[in-house]
Amino acid sequence: DIQMTQSPSSLSASVGDRVTITCRASQSISRYLNWYQQKPGKAPKVLIYVASSLQSEVPSRFSGSGSGTDFTLTIRGLQPEDFATYYCQQTYSRPSTFGGGTKVEI
Amino acid sequence: QIQLVQSGPEVKKPGASVMISCKASGYNFKSNAITWVRQAPGQGLEWMGWISTYSGNTNFLENLQGRVTMTTDTSTNTAYMELSNLISDDTAVYYCARETGGAMTYFDSWGQGTLVTVSS
Repeated sequence: DIQMTQSPSSLSASVGDRVTITCRASQSISRYLNWYQQKPGKAPKVLIYVASSLQSEVPSRFSGSGSGTDFTLTIRGLQPEDFATYYCQQTYSRPSTFGGGTKVEI
Repeated sequence: QIQLVQSGPEVKKPGASVMISCKASGYNFKSNAITWVRQAPGQGLEWMGWISTYSGNTNFLENLQGRVTMTTDTSTNTAYMELSNLISDDTAVYYCARETGGAMTYFDSWGQGTLVTVSS
């Protein structure tokens, strides 16, 4: 199975900050990488698919980049509603696997 | 709008089985596979398996093989996931999600989650 490693596991930030979360795959996954946001008690919500495509209705302050094994999720101008946990996911091969998550806290 | 509505919380004893339903609306049910993901308390997301709503083909996480069954009822646009021989480590919130399909698939709509508690 492909292992997905996210860093950091948590971070503290302020409203207006730029936040960067990284995700590394244990082998090349091309661009088969998605990012999800999850708030407490809620289902995950897709933000970015195929490494850098912004899901419909997701604010443009979210962006993704990378290919192969190294990927990045960037939030420019952190908003109060962005405090949540973020997960990367590979769909290059089954089983699909998720990173361990990055909790973004105030 | 696309909606996936799951059945309610369950409390089960070790060794029992649980079946969770996921009713889809707002799109052509047979056009998109349904995937199941679970999340243990305070933990991350674990993909459990996938069912094609068109063919009924399935694919499961290897360590759940033999305990998990996924089915669909296209007459009611409902997907089901049954997990048998429950153990305490199966305590989790279980989510169904719609796959966009294609080579670079992702999960674009999710159910609200179903909490399954396994306790003696």
